[in-house]
Amino acid sequence: EAGVAQSPRYKIIEKRQSVAFWCNPISGHATLYWYQQILGQGPKLLIQFQNNGVVDDSQLPKDRFSAERLKGVDSTLKIQPAKLEDSAVYLCASSSDRGNNEQFFGPGTRLTVL
Amino acid sequence: AQSVTQLDSQVPVFEEAPVELRCNYSSSVSVYLFWYVQYPNQGLQLLLKYLSGSTLVKGINGFEAEFNKSQTSFHLRKPSVHISDTAEYFCAVTPYTGRRALTFGSGTRLQVQP
Repeated sequence: EAGVAQSPRYKIIEKRQSVAFWCNPISGHATLYWYQQILGQGPKLLIQFQNNGVVDDSQLPKDRFSAERLKGVDSTLKIQPAKLEDSAVYLCASSSDRGNNEQFFGPGTRLTVL
Repeated sequence: AQSVTQLDSQVPVFEEAPVELRCNYSSSVSVYLFWYVQYPNQGLQLLLKYLSGSTLVKGINGFEAEFNKSQTSFHLRKPSVHISDTAEYFCAVTPYTGRRALTFGSGTRLQVQP
């Protein structure tokens, strides 16, 4: 079974530029999460999707961050315009509707904003 | 809401010595508990989880953890560490009910020295 796929793995941009990250969850997993992991901290939820609907986006900075999950499968997370404090690893995770909500993580995208 | 405290940001230990990484949590509802490991430039990998039943949980790579409800703790242990165990370890919780995101601690860096 293929794991959670993310691309790109690394991205360097200048502040005020825009950037997009892509995530493909494990096949059949209805729930998809985007987490932000700042250096030296644990991951923090940005947004959670159930199929193609948003369950929780309370911690998403909506003035600059947006995310979508068209067709309830893969997802994109966008930042526009980026700030220096957005430098972090962006982790995507997915879980099925059955069982104990175990979440499977992708390798992450490391974003550096200069 | 939930919160997770990992009491040690770094734990240096010699190879083949025992180790304990401490985790305490706070929650107004019952939670599932998890330990994840993160190797450099990789995503999060599940080490073990407590769902219910026996409070002593065994995971991969020889790790185990004990759930203590009265002390709201979920400490991770290994009787003999290897150089390859050097990594960042995260404790996390999620509520029993609903498909909710994980709340993570700030992580503990385990440094195994020869």
